[in-house]
Amino acid sequence: DGGITQSPKYLFRKEGQNVTLSCEQNLNHDAMYWYRQDPGQGLRLIYYSQIVNDFQKGDIAEGYSVSREKKESFPLTVTSAQKNPTAFYLCATGSTGSSNQPQHFGDGTRLSIL
Amino acid sequence: EDKVVQSPLSLVVHEGDTVTLNCSYEVTNFRSLLWYKQEKKAPTFLFMLTSSGIEKKSGRLSSILDKKELSSILNITATQTGDSAIYLCAVEDNNDMRFGAGTRLTVKP
Repeated sequence: DGGITQSPKYLFRKEGQNVTLSCEQNLNHDAMYWYRQDPGQGLRLIYYSQIVNDFQKGDIAEGYSVSREKKESFPLTVTSAQKNPTAFYLCATGSTGSSNQPQHFGDGTRLSIL
Repeated sequence: EDKVVQSPLSLVVHEGDTVTLNCSYEVTNFRSLLWYKQEKKAPTFLFMLTSSGIEKKSGRLSSILDKKELSSILNITATQTGDSAIYLCAVEDNNDMRFGAGTRLTVKP
C-alpha cells in the first residue's frame, strides 16, 4: 500500500522534552515537507528537503530540527526551544522538477503539551 | 511578501445550494494553484491549476484559475452534507507551497 506514514498519531510532550515525529514514504518522491496547522490558520511550512542529506528552513523553523539521511524518511524533532508546540503536524511529499504533481499528505500527528 | 488569502473564512449553506469559494494570491515565480479538502485528518487533493481560463471539473466540483486577477474559485453545486469540510487553497512556487487559512464549509440537511 503506497503512501506516507506518520507516527505516532497522538503525542504528548512534557516541559523541557524533545520529541520526534516520524514520516516515512514509499512513493519514491524526492521532496519531503513538514507543515504545522493551528486552528484558523493555513498550513505553515517548517522545513523541507528536496534531496537526501539536504534540507532548508521554512517559515517557522525555530524550535524544530530535521534530518534526511534516507530518501524514505524525514523525521521532525520538536525541541524544548519550541515554546508553543501544540498543533497538528502534517508531513507531505512531492516530486521535484517540472513534473508538476501535487503534494501528497500523511494523516498527521497531533502534538499536545502535558 | 508572498501570501494566499481565502474567502469567506466560513460558510453555512443548506443541501442543494451552490457555493463559490475564493482564493487570491501574491507569490513570485508562480507554478501552480491547488485546492484541497480537509475533513478530520490530512487534506485530500482536489485540483491543480496551472493555466488561466481552463476549468477543471470533478463531479459537482469545478475550479478555474485567473492569472491576470491572481485568483481562483472553487465551485460546488448541489451541495451535500458530505461536502462539509475545510477547503484549502495552496500556491506553489519554485521552492515550496504556501497555504491560505482555509474556508470552513458547513452544509446543513
